[in-house]
Amino acid sequence: SAVISQKPSRDICQRGTSLTIQCQVDSQVTMMFWYRQQPGQSLTLIATANQGSEATYESGFVIDKFPISRPNLTFSTLTVSNMSPEDSSIYLCSVAGTPKNEETQYFGPGTRLLVL
Amino acid sequence: GQQLNQSPQSMFIQEGEDVSMNCTSSSIFNTWLWYKQDPGEGPVLLIALYKAGELTSNGRLTAQFGITRKDSFLNISASIPSDVGIYFCAGPLNAGNMLTFGGGTRLMVKP
Repeated sequence: SAVISQKPSRDICQRGTSLTIQCQVDSQVTMMFWYRQQPGQSLTLIATANQGSEATYESGFVIDKFPISRPNLTFSTLTVSNMSPEDSSIYLCSVAGTPKNEETQYFGPGTRLLVL
Repeated sequence: GQQLNQSPQSMFIQEGEDVSMNCTSSSIFNTWLWYKQDPGEGPVLLIALYKAGELTSNGRLTAQFGITRKDSFLNISASIPSDVGIYFCAGPLNAGNMLTFGGGTRLMVKP
């Protein structure tokens, strides 16, 4: 499986500020995704991070609120902009299309965000 | 859109007991995945199922891909305290790799 790291692992932020979360994979992967997991809830897909082009967002998520970058096949960032307490969640990076397994999706450890 | 209905939502069992949880959908899935999420961690893949009717084991875990492609179950035999966590089923939303997740089954094991 792929080894995925996320930074920061957790943060406490003030309302109105923005936070950028980084996701690093130890091998080149085809697909990278960002999910949100609200407290006590399941995972919801935010967007697919596309290398060299704009991310593909799911219904209910927009680029202005969650800008995403993917400069290469091993790295992506998610920014949570103009944060409010409702943005308090775990944000998870996941990847698919590793050299050993094209279909299986693996997750990073998550970034725990608390907005005050 | 496609939705996965996972049950039960939670289970509180005695150590040593067997556990069974399942997922159903009104849509056909070509892949079923079962993940476990420990507190403070990201989901970890337990078992992946790719063929209808497939039965796959991973240690004390056994999962099956329903023949109709609309359901799957996960069994855990002889549960131990470290089995505590949230178990999620998941399947691809469409032709891409984007996953939709079930609501999760929270498992608690009493020593």
